[in-house]
Amino acid sequence: AQSVTQLDSQVPVFEEAPVELRCNYSSSVSVYLFWYVQYPNQGLQLLLKYLSGSTLVKGINGFEAEFNKSQTSFHLRKPSVHISDTAEYFCAVSLYNQGGKLIFGQGTELSVKP
Amino acid sequence: GAGVSQSPRYKVAKRGQDVALRCDPISGHVSLFWYQQALGQGPEFLTYFQNEAQLDKSGLPSDRFFAERPEGSVSTLKIQRTQQEDSAVYLCASSLGGAGFSPLHFGNGTRLTVT
Repeated sequence: AQSVTQLDSQVPVFEEAPVELRCNYSSSVSVYLFWYVQYPNQGLQLLLKYLSGSTLVKGINGFEAEFNKSQTSFHLRKPSVHISDTAEYFCAVSLYNQGGKLIFGQGTELSVKP
Repeated sequence: GAGVSQSPRYKVAKRGQDVALRCDPISGHVSLFWYQQALGQGPEFLTYFQNEAQLDKSGLPSDRFFAERPEGSVSTLKIQRTQQEDSAVYLCASSLGGAGFSPLHFGNGTRLTVT
């Protein structure tokens, strides 16, 4: 079975500072990896995905993530955050043949302060 | 509209009542998914449709939960004899593809509160 662990439930950071949101996964087979963002009272929006190829993937809003197979990690980074980045961030995995059946982590609340 | 639409936005039910939650996917999207998101948790998979066929219902927590998509478009998630533990946000998502990876488009969800 697959599982996802987001190591930080809350991450407070000042505006324009860099941020890293950590995600580790467990799976005995290869998986796809995703980061989603959820703004208050809204649905989930895809930030970026790793399907294959380059281990460094770039997404929307200046976010990027690096797939590390040996450490089974997929950490999300942004070099300079904005107030508008305040939201809940979810890491997720899926099996190759079950692209829409996502297994989510518990989420990390990013709070950007002025 | 261009996105996935869910109704109602909020639903309050008394314990034991039946509820029906509606999802209008993006037109032409083959796949439709339902997820349950409890407070402070990540979404959990409930069920998956490809057109009108329910291909996976392994996430439905009990036989009180039932989902349908009779014409391969609109879907309804029905919960019978609601319990307090059913209180959650129910998210619907659709995607264009029927296999492999196709980006999921999520609706804003229905927040169900069982009193």
